[in-house]
Amino acid sequence: KNEVEQSPQNLTAQEGEFITINCSYSVGISALHWLQQHPGGGIVSLFMLSSGKKKHGRLIATINIQEKHSSLHITASHPRDSAVYICALLRGGGSNYKLTFGKGTLLTVNP
Amino acid sequence: SQTIHQWPATLVQPVGSPLSLECTVEGTSNPNLYWYRQAAGRGLQLLFYSVGIGQISSEVPQNLSASRPQDRQFILSSKKLLLSDSGFYLCAWNGGYQNIQYFGAGTRLSVL
Repeated sequence: KNEVEQSPQNLTAQEGEFITINCSYSVGISALHWLQQHPGGGIVSLFMLSSGKKKHGRLIATINIQEKHSSLHITASHPRDSAVYICALLRGGGSNYKLTFGKGTLLTVNP
Repeated sequence: SQTIHQWPATLVQPVGSPLSLECTVEGTSNPNLYWYRQAAGRGLQLLFYSVGIGQISSEVPQNLSASRPQDRQFILSSKKLLLSDSGFYLCAWNGGYQNIQYFGAGTRLSVL
């Protein structure tokens, strides 16, 4: 069983819809990253969180450490949100932090 | 501000040829540096990480090696490429109190 599972694998939405992408994991973590990978391959870190909720513009990320679950929400989705969204677990300590990645969710937002 | 450079962006190499991908970071000192690979249809996989000059840790057995000759330079190499080395290679660094990782633009390697 993979240490980190994302769902859904693929998601198609109409512009304006509310999007939710889920990430479940089975190991102890220091924090969890949500990353966005654009069609060209470049990766941008959206959030890193270890508890509660963070918001940046139309993006909201939540994490429940007890349930080992995190969600990424996009409000009022737009075609430019189309990308692969990747959940990554941050583990380790001191200078030894490492990321374990989910396989990603391909989001397509149609106009 | 900190910047990460990775090159080349695209590379097509024959099987058996050598490889050298370079990654440099600007605007920070003593960063942790990482090499990841994303094979087609698969998630990102950590290949190597380095916490300092000359200090390399390998995460998976493979045909590749890494070196850190300078504080802000991380190089991924192979003496003889295999078909299975094809993929998208990303360099990253982390720093600051939040340990957020910042990624380079990536190199798409096709081994033919």
